[in-house]
Amino acid sequence: KQEVTQIPAALSVPEGENLVLNCSFTDSAIYNLQWFRQDPGKGLTSLLLIQSSQREQTSGRLNASLDKSSGRSTLYIAASQPGDSATYLCAVFHLYSSASKIIFGSGTRLSIRP
Amino acid sequence: EPEVTQTPSHQVTQMGQEVILRCVPISNHLYFYWYRQILGQKVEFLVSFYNNEISEKSEIFDDQFSVERPDGSNFTLKIRSTKLEDSAMYFCASSEPPDGNQPQHFGDGTRLSIL
Repeated sequence: KQEVTQIPAALSVPEGENLVLNCSFTDSAIYNLQWFRQDPGKGLTSLLLIQSSQREQTSGRLNASLDKSSGRSTLYIAASQPGDSATYLCAVFHLYSSASKIIFGSGTRLSIRP
Repeated sequence: EPEVTQTPSHQVTQMGQEVILRCVPISNHLYFYWYRQILGQKVEFLVSFYNNEISEKSEIFDDQFSVERPDGSNFTLKIRSTKLEDSAMYFCASSEPPDGNQPQHFGDGTRLSIL
């Protein structure tokens, strides 16, 4: 059974710092991995999707990497801003389950101090 | 950009009552999903739906739950006899064919509170 773990559970950094959020998963047979952002009381916004054949994806100040063999992904945020404060969720689209569901981690709650 | 929309944003219901949560997926999507998030816990998969039938459901999705696409635009989740533990955020999502390259697009959720 696939388990997705995110460390740390919470992170607070001063504005302008670069930071890394970590995600690990127990079964490397995945279709893809997505990073989502969730603002309080809001839905899930997809930030980046990395296919299983890819190593990384970039969008603006965000860069996500994927190492399938070790079951790890990182989300790198450059030059953090207060508007980046949110919960970041990692989720895997599992290959051997029906290709129709996502398994989520519990998230990292990020706070950027002005 | 097209969005998944959910109504209502907040639903308060007495225990034992039936509740219907509504979703309008992105118009050209054919794959639909419901997830829930109990306060402080992970987002959990409930059910996926394609071609007017359930393609997969989790152990959470018991006989109290049902899904329906009553017309060409709406996708609904019905809980027949609500329990206190059904209180959660319920998210609808839709996607193009899940070939590994298509993200699921989520709505803003319905907060369901059971009294």
